[in-house]
Amino acid sequence: GEDVEQSLFLSVREGDSSVINCTYTDSSSTYLYWYKQEPGAGLQLLTYIFSNMDMKQDQRLTVLLNKKDKHLSLRIADTQTGDSAIYFCAENAGNTGKLIFGQGTTLQVKP
Amino acid sequence: KAGVTQTPRYLIKTRGQQVTLSCSPISGHRSVSWYQQTPGQGLQFLFEYFSETQRNKGNFPGRFSGRQFSNSRSEMNVSTLELGDSALYLCASSLAGMLTNEKLFFGSGTQLSVL
Repeated sequence: GEDVEQSLFLSVREGDSSVINCTYTDSSSTYLYWYKQEPGAGLQLLTYIFSNMDMKQDQRLTVLLNKKDKHLSLRIADTQTGDSAIYFCAENAGNTGKLIFGQGTTLQVKP
Repeated sequence: KAGVTQTPRYLIKTRGQQVTLSCSPISGHRSVSWYQQTPGQGLQFLFEYFSETQRNKGNFPGRFSGRQFSNSRSEMNVSTLELGDSALYLCASSLAGMLTNEKLFFGSGTQLSVL
């Protein structure tokens, strides 16, 4: 079945790196996504990775994909207080036209 | 370019009533999807519309319905509201839909409270 799992909470100090982890089950997913949700807001697409890639870097964001273990991670370098939000990982389940989301990881950045 | 616009932003209804939520996609986008977000169940897919046709549907009861107009704007309707329908309803648009692995852009959502 389709399932995406994330740890629920991560706390870091400002300036440190944050690593948010995600596991998924659908090996047919061709794209995997990271979304950010701030309080009272919708979802903002941060980055995505194609399943034939191992890594993608976009400014402070690095996505690592281990397809064998079905493990995805998002690294945020030099984490700022403005990065405090809920981060969702999502897969395009079997190219069905819908996204399957994890439960979201709340990132708390302490000054 | 304007983003995805959802109206209203907040809505309070009572059990048994019905509600209609509206979504205007990004200009040029022809696919609109709807998601329900609750603290208990997280984000769940409701349905997707493309060129006025429902192309994909999630596991929700028939009380949840939607439609898409020729200008790609979409509405979703929930009839006979239940307390458990209280949620943030998010609309998302893309050029042609997730079948082509496109990026999905979300609106700010409509927060529905059922009393």
